[in-house]
Amino acid sequence: GAGVSQTPSNKVTEKGKYVELRCDPISGHTALYWYRQSLGQGPEFLIYFQGTGAADDSGLPNDRFFAVRPEGSVSTLKIQRTERGDSAVYLCASSLRFERGNEQFFGPGTRLTVL
Amino acid sequence: GENVEQHPSTLSVQEGDSAVIKCTYSDSASNYFPWYKQELGKGPQLIIDIRSNVGEKKDQRIAVTLNKTAKHFSLHITETQPEDSAVYFCAASSGTGGFKTIFGAGTRLFVKA
Repeated sequence: GAGVSQTPSNKVTEKGKYVELRCDPISGHTALYWYRQSLGQGPEFLIYFQGTGAADDSGLPNDRFFAVRPEGSVSTLKIQRTERGDSAVYLCASSLRFERGNEQFFGPGTRLTVL
Repeated sequence: GENVEQHPSTLSVQEGDSAVIKCTYSDSASNYFPWYKQELGKGPQLIIDIRSNVGEKKDQRIAVTLNKTAKHFSLHITETQPEDSAVYFCAASSGTGGFKTIFGAGTRLFVKA
């Protein structure tokens, strides 16, 4: 079956602009996670959802970052007033259930470049 | 806060040799430790995991060991092959207040044919 998909695969924007990054999880997966990966680093936790609600958003770096999952499936990560330091690969993952130890399946990521 | 340290950052081995990657974690409440392999342009993929009630787990050429007292866990790859070349990440699932997964910085493994 289809894995986690993310669109766009690449996004180039200018400093100060608004961007939206989309994640389509594996069908039936109730848990969804967003990570940010800078060059040469491991994924950095941003937020995860159980269903429609954000169970933990403590990883969001500041109030310019926001994520939604209105119907419990597709999720959108929104970044306002982008800064050059936001440049990174944004990864989305989903898991069947919301519990520790449930395998997370990652998408290929969206590479965001802020000029 | 929670932290996972991983070393070495780069590891080069000859085909057929073994590779060992080591990690330490800070949150004593962590009880789930997955390992991921990431190839260029792709998302990480789970290769093996271990829970805190187990000291060792093996899956063909891959094994993971866990020492909860020392807060250490390690990945062992035997009989390495060129296709094992990738970046490997260890991670720990934080036990405090939720199921955040904290990743190490990664080890770039080169297997020379």
